[in-house]
Amino acid sequence: DGGITQSPKYLFRKEGQNVTLSCEQNLNHDAMYWYRQDPGQGLRLIYYSQIVNDFQKGDIAEGYSVSREKKESFPLTVTSAQKNPTAFYLCASRQGRQETQYFGPGTRLLVL
Amino acid sequence: DQQVKQNSPSLSVQEGRISILNCDYTNSMFDYFLWYKKYPAEGPTFLISISSIKDKNEDGRFTVFLNKSAKHLSLHIVPSQPGDSAVYFCAASARTGANNLFFGTGTRLTVIP
Repeated sequence: DGGITQSPKYLFRKEGQNVTLSCEQNLNHDAMYWYRQDPGQGLRLIYYSQIVNDFQKGDIAEGYSVSREKKESFPLTVTSAQKNPTAFYLCASRQGRQETQYFGPGTRLLVL
Repeated sequence: DQQVKQNSPSLSVQEGRISILNCDYTNSMFDYFLWYKKYPAEGPTFLISISSIKDKNEDGRFTVFLNKSAKHLSLHIVPSQPGDSAVYFCAASARTGANNLFFGTGTRLTVIP
């Protein structure tokens, strides 16, 4: 059954700690994306990757880092430099030049 | 600057009636538009899309209308059902360049039984 998985569903971060959110897809999609959703706001693009070993900053990349070592995996690290990390994080993927992105179930990050 | 805008944060509709959700955009380079439906604590699911070469696209109870001159699109749901209650996001892309999606802030639809 193809799809996008994100783990964990909930994640707690302590002050000064880096945390990594997992995103895996078995759709054989080329492009992958990370978005952040805050209450009452739309989805804002953090980072995206169109091919393996390449990624680009989105609109709100500060305080985040990514890697794309495998086609199916696009982990997001929320670093201690991100001063307001509490949000709902969504991973998405897209095939080739198709416009439609398909989303994972999301990870909610909370700060202790 | 928000390039895709959904000016109505919420909408309530009686079951069986029509729901109309609106979306405006500012970037004339956008040529593909999508609607997503989102339940709380879940990822958005793709609903319907439209290319700028069309002015209407229909899929069952869902119809999207595009008015390019007004830079406006709308999603019609008829008849509305309680299970349609969710947040609806419109999104737009320009198929040149990175082909990224730009999202509106969403409209929460409540269908009253």
